[in-house]
Amino acid sequence: AQKVTQAQTEISVVEKEDVTLDCVYETRDTTYYLFWYKQPPSGELVFLIRRNSFDEQNEISGRYSWNFQKSTSSFNFTITASQVVDSAVYFCALSGRAGGTSYGKLTFGQGTILTVHP
Amino acid sequence: KAGVTQTPRYLIKTRGQQVTLSCSPISGHRSVSWYQQTPGQGLQFLFEYFSETQRNKGNFPGRFSGRQFSNSRSEMNVSTLELGDSALYLCASSRDRGGSYNSPLHFGNGTRLTVT
Repeated sequence: AQKVTQAQTEISVVEKEDVTLDCVYETRDTTYYLFWYKQPPSGELVFLIRRNSFDEQNEISGRYSWNFQKSTSSFNFTITASQVVDSAVYFCALSGRAGGTSYGKLTFGQGTILTVHP
Repeated sequence: KAGVTQTPRYLIKTRGQQVTLSCSPISGHRSVSWYQQTPGQGLQFLFEYFSETQRNKGNFPGRFSGRQFSNSRSEMNVSTLELGDSALYLCASSRDRGGSYNSPLHFGNGTRLTVT
């Protein structure tokens, strides 16, 4: 079975601090995809970043960067110079072909509530 | 490009009633998925439709059903509502089968269902 664990329930930082959100996953698939989503108070899940299991190159996109390590099954997400507008719930998600089902189902972590104070 | 549209935004129903939620995907997207979000269980997959066929189903009772129309719009139905069905129901669309690298899911604002 697939599983995603976000050990940090809540994080509180002051504006301009860097913050890293942790994500650990479990899967038997050799091909899988990882995602980070942001959920502001409006409720909509906003797609942020993605990574496939064959590409461990870490990337930076604006203030976002991510660190994917297959050896530790981790997919951590960092926001640099956080802003108040970054306050939201952040979800890590995984998709794969476990159990014979094809992609089309995301397994989400429990979410991390990020509060950025001015 | 318009995003995923879900209607209604809020619903209040009584136990035993049934409810239908609607989802219009992003133009050109052929896959629609539904998720239930509750404080206790988090985000849970309900089902996925692609080309009017259910392709994948989560672990929910048969009271939860859905369908997809030829224009890719989707509806979700819950019959014989229970208090535990109170949740935020999120619809997501993707160009092809959702959840892959080239076809990430794009979510709507959700329908907040309250069962009293």
